[in-house]
Amino acid sequence: GAVVSQHPSWVICKSGTSVKIECRSLDFQATTMFWYRQFPKQSLMLMATSNEGSKATYEQGVEKDKFLINHASLTLSTLTVTSAHPEDSSFYICSAGTSGSGDEQFFGPGTRLTVL
Amino acid sequence: GNSVTQMEGPVTLSEEAFLTINCTYTATGYPSLFWYVQYPGEGLQLLLKATKADDKGSNKGFEATYRKETTSFHLEKGSVQVSDSAVYFCALQTGGFQKLVFGTGTRLLVSP
Repeated sequence: GAVVSQHPSWVICKSGTSVKIECRSLDFQATTMFWYRQFPKQSLMLMATSNEGSKATYEQGVEKDKFLINHASLTLSTLTVTSAHPEDSSFYICSAGTSGSGDEQFFGPGTRLTVL
Repeated sequence: GNSVTQMEGPVTLSEEAFLTINCTYTATGYPSLFWYVQYPGEGLQLLLKATKADDKGSNKGFEATYRKETTSFHLEKGSVQVSDSAVYFCALQTGGFQKLVFGTGTRLLVSP
């Protein structure tokens, strides 16, 4: 149980285009989802926290107009990287949790974004 | 602010060797401490956790003890297997269902 999927697993796009990444909780309802970014050989850095039906809370230094997060249902959150540039190339990971899971977050496998 | 420091890897061991991966933390208040493992091509999985001082988390032969006096949460396993090869992340969480603060991860490579 407690499986989280991400789609796509990898994506390559041209500079200036927008890319949408989906995060789904497959067998539970996620009241809260988290989006992380991971650079090579570095730690996961939290970008934002989203609760179903409300606006995401972004971490300091994360551009909310560039990284659009939507949590429209209890099983789906999306991250859209708008007008992507090469410096946005990274590994994006989502996690999800529910009030019944206590403090545990369940992680997706990640999405590798490469912007050319 | 809150932070987690892990030993740099990779850690290379032979099968059945003893494993220690060091983790120290800085936090306000009394955080919960976690070890996550990431196998190739998969998402992070919770390996073990401890929520208060002197607690010992354990799972799959791995152990870690919450040491408040040394602000440490070192991961240990008495006899590693090839299948333990993965990246291990130490993390802390302050309060309830809050964000996790991760260390940089330590890659473990176990050879037969």
